[in-house]
Order: sequence, then structure tokens, then C-alpha cells
Amino acid sequence: SYVLTQPPSVSVAPGKTARITCGGDNIASKSVHWYQRKPGQAPVLVIYYDSDRPSGIPERFSGSYSGNTATLTISRVEAGDEADYYCQVWDRSSDHVVFGGGTKLTVL
Amino acid sequence: EVHLVQSGAEVKKPGATVKISCKVSGSTFTDYYIYWVQQAPGKGLEWVGLVDPEDGETMYAEKFQGRVTITADTSSDTAYMELRSLTSGDTALYYCATLSHGASEGYYMDVWGKGTTVTVFS
Repeated sequence: SYVLTQPPSVSVAPGKTARITCGGDNIASKSVHWYQRKPGQAPVLVIYYDSDRPSGIPERFSGSYSGNTATLTISRVEAGDEADYYCQVWDRSSDHVVFGGGTKLTVL
Repeated sequence: EVHLVQSGAEVKKPGATVKISCKVSGSTFTDYYIYWVQQAPGKGLEWVGLVDPEDGETMYAEKFQGRVTITADTSSDTAYMELRSLTSGDTALYYCATLSHGASEGYYMDVWGKGTTVTVFS
């Protein structure tokens, strides 16, 4: 089955840039979506179709690809960005939704 | 605006069956898939399965295949997830999710319910 690999944790100082990676075999051939989940809250979609932002999501959130890795970039990080972030794809070969293991973003 | 209202918390004994619901309002029920996602304590998001409310077609994650049934009732705009032969490993928060009206079609979710806690406890 298809596997998405994320680092367990990323730490960044306020005002700096956070980059959260999501690796998968031939991931560039798939559409990647990103979710933010804060404690006690339902997940929120922050990036869909690799780099599109839903309305209401700040421009500080962006998505990109490089090789076999998709990246969620959060610029000018704020304390309120502290959360768990998950990447997600649709694996056409198995007709399965696949989530990455999640990355805990800590704002120092 | 699309809203998903999930049923309340459940406490079940091992071996029992739980059925939780997700009522959709604010959109045409049959427009988009309804997904179910598990979040166990201290764990990440895990896809359980989905239903296409238009024709009832379902897809399930291998981990849950054989123990889960997801259905959609178009008369009440409500989706259901039934999980059988419960074990302590099924203790988790279960979310339903879908796409909002006008969203680009695809296998992702931009509207989520608040989640239903299922506790399996002897």
C-alpha cells in the first residue's frame, strides 16, 4: 500500500519559515492536500491540489513539490500556527485515501 | 454553508457494534463523497472509508475491511458508519468529512464534523 512519510516534529521561531515535508513514491504524479489539526478541534484544510489555498487560509501557507517530496511552507510563523499537520493523497492504484503520519509543529 | 452534525459519544464493550451518524446540511447530499476518518489517542489521522451518497458505492481501508459498513440515507441526508467486533484498539475519535458546495471535485475534504468519541471498555 502507498505510504506517505512526514517528520514527526518541526520546530521554528516566531516570524521564521517552517517547512513540513511529505515523501512518497512518485508523489509528483498525485495531488497532495494538507490539513492542520489543533488540539480539541477538527482538522482544517489548508492546502488542496498541491498549492491551492481555501478561502480564509492566510497567504503565509503554501504548497510545493521537489522530486519525491511535497512541502508545506508556512511563512512568518505565528504562535497560532502550532498544530499537527497532515498530508493526504488519493492512491488510484488501491482506491484508498492515504494520510501521512503527521508532523507536530512547535513554535518556540 | 455545509454543516456536518455527528451523533454523540458512545461507550461499548469489546465485541460489540457501534453505529454513528453524520447529518449533512447546507448542500446537496448526493454531490460529494462522505469520508470517515479515525484518530486514536496519540495517533494520527487514519482513513476508514467513504461512501458515494449518489449510488451508495463504498470503499474501505484494508485495516477496517470486513468490520465496517458505511451507508448513506438520502431520505434524511445522513451518513452512517457501523463498526463491528470492537476492541480497545477501536477507541478513538471518528470524524465524518466532505466537500463544500462548489468545491473542486476530488478526493479531499474541506468540511469536517466535530467528531464522535467511541470508547471500548470492559
